[in-house]
Amino acid sequence: KAGVTQTPRYLIKTRGQQVTLSCSPISGHRSVSWYQQTPGQGLQFLFEYFSETQRNKGNFPGRFSGRQFSNSRSEMNVSTLELGDSALYLCASSLDGAGVTEAFFGQGTRLTVV
Amino acid sequence: QKEVEQDPGPLSVPEGAIVSLNCTYSNSAFQYFMWYRQYSRKGPELLMYTYSSGNKEDGRFTAQVDKSSKYISLFIRDSQPSDSATYLCAMIISGGSYIPTFGRGTSLIVHP
Repeated sequence: KAGVTQTPRYLIKTRGQQVTLSCSPISGHRSVSWYQQTPGQGLQFLFEYFSETQRNKGNFPGRFSGRQFSNSRSEMNVSTLELGDSALYLCASSLDGAGVTEAFFGQGTRLTVV
Repeated sequence: QKEVEQDPGPLSVPEGAIVSLNCTYSNSAFQYFMWYRQYSRKGPELLMYTYSSGNKEDGRFTAQVDKSSKYISLFIRDSQPSDSATYLCAMIISGGSYIPTFGRGTSLIVHP
């Protein structure tokens, strides 16, 4: 079956702009989590959506937001981009988010803020 | 201090060597311990997980958890160049949100 699809794969944005990233989970998966990965901080949890509702949230400022649609596809938005937002953004999908073995990651979106 | 500490490396070994990758943690509430492998320009993939203490073996990989020392290890036997990747440890508190806390990852290079 198809894996987790993230689009676009690469993005270059200017400081102050906003960006929207997309994640299509594995068919049948209802939980989508978003992570930011940087060399200095590693993988950091942003938020998790389950059945169109944000179920968990990490320690990121309000500039980072997301949503999930009825088909479980999810989008992440970052407003007023800062240089420090340059990172690999990963999404992971799972059936219901409660199984430690069920999370599958996409290939990520590499965001560069200049 | 981060909850999960992992030496970023890189760790460079010759083909066939036994590799030891390690993480330490500070939160004694962690109950699930996982190892992910991440190839360059790819997302992480789950390699192994263990619950609580003990060892678990899967082919050339062995995961070990020592809760008394708050220390986990991943051993790779007969390492291959295809094992070259970043290895991330991750931990989950049982009964909580099941959101994993990740280490920064260790870059492993296995040279022929």
